[in-house]
Amino acid sequence: DAGVIQSPRHEVTEMGQEVTLRCKLISGHNSLFWYRQTMMRGLELLIYFNNNVPIDDSGMPEDRFSAKMPNASFSTLKIQPSEPRDSAVYFCASSHTPARPNTEAFFGQGTRLTVV
Amino acid sequence: GEDVEQSLFLSVREGDSSVINCTYTDSSSTYLYWYKQEPGAGLQLLTYIFSNMDMKQDQRLTVLLNKKDKHLSLRIADTQTGDSAIYFCAVDPGTTSGTYKYIFGTGTRLKVLA
Repeated sequence: DAGVIQSPRHEVTEMGQEVTLRCKLISGHNSLFWYRQTMMRGLELLIYFNNNVPIDDSGMPEDRFSAKMPNASFSTLKIQPSEPRDSAVYFCASSHTPARPNTEAFFGQGTRLTVV
Repeated sequence: GEDVEQSLFLSVREGDSSVINCTYTDSSSTYLYWYKQEPGAGLQLLTYIFSNMDMKQDQRLTVLLNKKDKHLSLRIADTQTGDSAIYFCAVDPGTTSGTYKYIFGTGTRLKVLA
């Protein structure tokens, strides 16, 4: 398996534009996490899904952010409209549930978003 | 909600030991993890410890857990320049739905001086 795949790796967009970040899970994983990383706040959990169902979206900053899992292997994180303060690295991670201790979260390479 | 705290920076000389500390607030965490992030990359799991353990050793890595003080540490023996990275502590507070999520600390940037 190629691991968790995120696209694009880099995105530069103008304020007000819609941005869509994409994530392909590792085959067989059924939990999906979206994180945002900034220097000021570190790594923040935005939302996570289990079996395609959003379980906790309390970390989503505001209504401008939305996330979906249209199928078991794919997820999108959309920001509309984007603002400069959304600039960050966005990570997607997937894992098995509920088996433990093999609950390692496998991370993608991240998408570096810059909103100008 | 769960809060996980780490110091932001640590600088050590090559060959010395590094100790990275983490404190957390939720005592119900069953598993506690250490992840490593190298420049420009995602996070990778280094090691984890069950909450009923005090210590775990894995080659150059030693994890210590003090449940009473809610304190977790990662010791890297004989630190090498390749160990320079950001180290994240993470806990799994569990949820009433039976699923789980990871809560990460802010990360500690380790710089190893040659």
